[in-house]
Amino acid sequence: AQSVTQPDIHITVSEGASLELRCNYSYGATPYLFWYVQSPGQGLQLLLKYFSGDTLVQGIKGFEAEFKRSQSSFNLRKPSVHWSDAAEYFCAVGPRYSSASKIIFGSGTRLSIRP
Amino acid sequence: EAGVTQSPTHLIKTRGQQATLRCSPISGHTSVYWYQQALGLGLQFLLWYDEGEERNRGNFPPRFSGRQFPNYSSELNVNALELEDSALYLCASPGGVPISGNTIYFGEGSWLTVV
Repeated sequence: AQSVTQPDIHITVSEGASLELRCNYSYGATPYLFWYVQSPGQGLQLLLKYFSGDTLVQGIKGFEAEFKRSQSSFNLRKPSVHWSDAAEYFCAVGPRYSSASKIIFGSGTRLSIRP
Repeated sequence: EAGVTQSPTHLIKTRGQQATLRCSPISGHTSVYWYQQALGLGLQFLLWYDEGEERNRGNFPPRFSGRQFPNYSSELNVNALELEDSALYLCASPGGVPISGNTIYFGEGSWLTVV
């Protein structure tokens, strides 16, 4: 079955500390992977995506993610978090060329920042 | 380019009534995707419209319906509202160059509260 797992429901890190949010997927075909961020009361904003090529992907707001096929993972990282990074983060996996309606979203990880 | 626009921002209805939510995709794109984000249930795919036709629907009852207009804007209608329909309804649209794959961009959402 196709699925996305974000094992951490809630993470708290100190401002200035490094961050890694985990994402594991199960997908039959070659996946197309995304990370979205949702600030409180807002829609989802695309942080980054992996389509093909270099497995280390740079995104907006200083985030990066690494695709590891052997581990079926696409973890999101940031070297130094800012208070404004407090939000909900969603990992998603989908097909490259058929309908985006088949994109599967993880249940999200809520990030809190300790001053 | 203008992003995905949704209206209204907030809507309060009583149980049994009907709610109508509206969405305009990114200019130049013909597909609209609707999602429900209920508390504790994550992001659930509702409906996909393309070129005026319903192309796919998620696991929701028939009282969730919609349509797409010739200008590619879309309406989501929820009939016979139930308390558990209270959620953030998100609309998404493809964006950018089509060959970049299935990347979708979200609007800010419409909060529906059923009392």
